[in-house]
Amino acid sequence: EAGVTQFPSHSVIEKGQTVTLRCDPISGHDNLYWYRRVMGKEIKFLLHFVKESKQDESGMPNNRFLAERTGGTYSTLKVQPAELEDSGVYFCASSQWTGRIEQYFGPGTRLTVT
Amino acid sequence: RKEVEQDPGPFNVPEGATVAFNCTYSNSASQSFFWYRQDCRKEPKLLMSVYSSGNEDGRFTAQLNRASQYISLLIRDSKLSDSATYLCVVTGSSNTGKLIFGQGTTLQVKP
Repeated sequence: EAGVTQFPSHSVIEKGQTVTLRCDPISGHDNLYWYRRVMGKEIKFLLHFVKESKQDESGMPNNRFLAERTGGTYSTLKVQPAELEDSGVYFCASSQWTGRIEQYFGPGTRLTVT
Repeated sequence: RKEVEQDPGPFNVPEGATVAFNCTYSNSASQSFFWYRQDCRKEPKLLMSVYSSGNEDGRFTAQLNRASQYISLLIRDSKLSDSATYLCVVTGSSNTGKLIFGQGTTLQVKP
């Protein structure tokens, strides 16, 4: 069974540019989560989809971040315009059920904003 | 105050040693508790869930004390391959799946 995949693995962009990150969850997993780790800090929750619906987006830092999951399959996270403080590793995770169940993480996208 | 606090370490131990990690969490309504392992520049992977009754998986033992809001992980007979960062993770009070991470404790096992 294929795991969670993320694209790209690395992205270097200039401040003010736009970047779109993609996550493909494990097939059949209705729950999809985005997390972020900025340097020196703990991994922080961004948002949670159940199928195509946003269940919880309390962790989204501001309106420069837009997440979508059209059709309930893969998800994209767009940052527009990117700022220096957006640099970090963006992880996607998926799970079959909500709650006390293992979340499987993708390898992450390392974003550097210069 | 951070929601999940861990001693960042690093813990440097010889092979075969027993090492213990501790973690405290601030939300008394948290419902689920985990230890994740993260290797350098890799994704977090679930090591084990933690239950009030305590649970053991081979050389690894996890304990939860809800009254003290304290979680522990004990690793016996450390192997070189145990070198990694260990993340203490809890869910929020609503148990919607949102994971709250500690900053992680780094373990380096030396020959």
